[in-house]
Amino acid sequence: NAGVMQNPRHLVRRRGQEARLRCSPMKGHSHVYWYRQLPEEGLKFMVYLQKENIIDESGMPKERFSAEFPKEGPSILRIQQVVRGDSAAYFCASSPRQGLTEAFFGQGTRLTVV
Amino acid sequence: SQQGEEDPQALSIQEGENATMNCSYKTSINNLQWYRQNSGRGLVHLILIRSNEREKHSGRLRVTLDTSKKSSSLLITASRAADTASYFCATDAVQGGSEKLVFGKGMKLTVNP
Repeated sequence: NAGVMQNPRHLVRRRGQEARLRCSPMKGHSHVYWYRQLPEEGLKFMVYLQKENIIDESGMPKERFSAEFPKEGPSILRIQQVVRGDSAAYFCASSPRQGLTEAFFGQGTRLTVV
Repeated sequence: SQQGEEDPQALSIQEGENATMNCSYKTSINNLQWYRQNSGRGLVHLILIRSNEREKHSGRLRVTLDTSKKSSSLLITASRAADTASYFCATDAVQGGSEKLVFGKGMKLTVNP
């Protein structure tokens, strides 16, 4: 049973481009959480999704950011028109149920905006 | 909003010494977790302590929880150079309508060989 898989591990984008980050949860996990970690900071919650539903996006910026978790395939975090301030590590965690007591984190995607 | 706050923010010790990190939080919790993150890497779950537990051990790790003071401590005994990492506490919180983990800013531990 592979762990939570995130790709790419590193992503470089120029300002104004789009970034697409993928997260494949562990087998049997239908709950996905996305977190962002700025340099020298802790992880900040962005969005919580179940299959085909956004449950809680209270931590996600209202503009340029979107997330989805389709019936088939990985969860996608999409950042449009990236700016330098979007440079961060983005982690996803998956869980078999709501809450993160049984969650597993991926290795993260490090986004650098140049 | 930030829930857990680790203290100290950075700690440098010699191999073999013990390292103690503290975490304070603000609201009621069901459980508290500690994670480790090596530089530039992902999170590794270390230990979970439930609100009705006062102490828990796992190998060289000892975690205590004082719900009356809303604080927890992580003790690493007989530290090794490989323990060098950032350590985060995380508490469960219901915010924005769903339960989620709220992380502190982390504490950077350096173990010198």
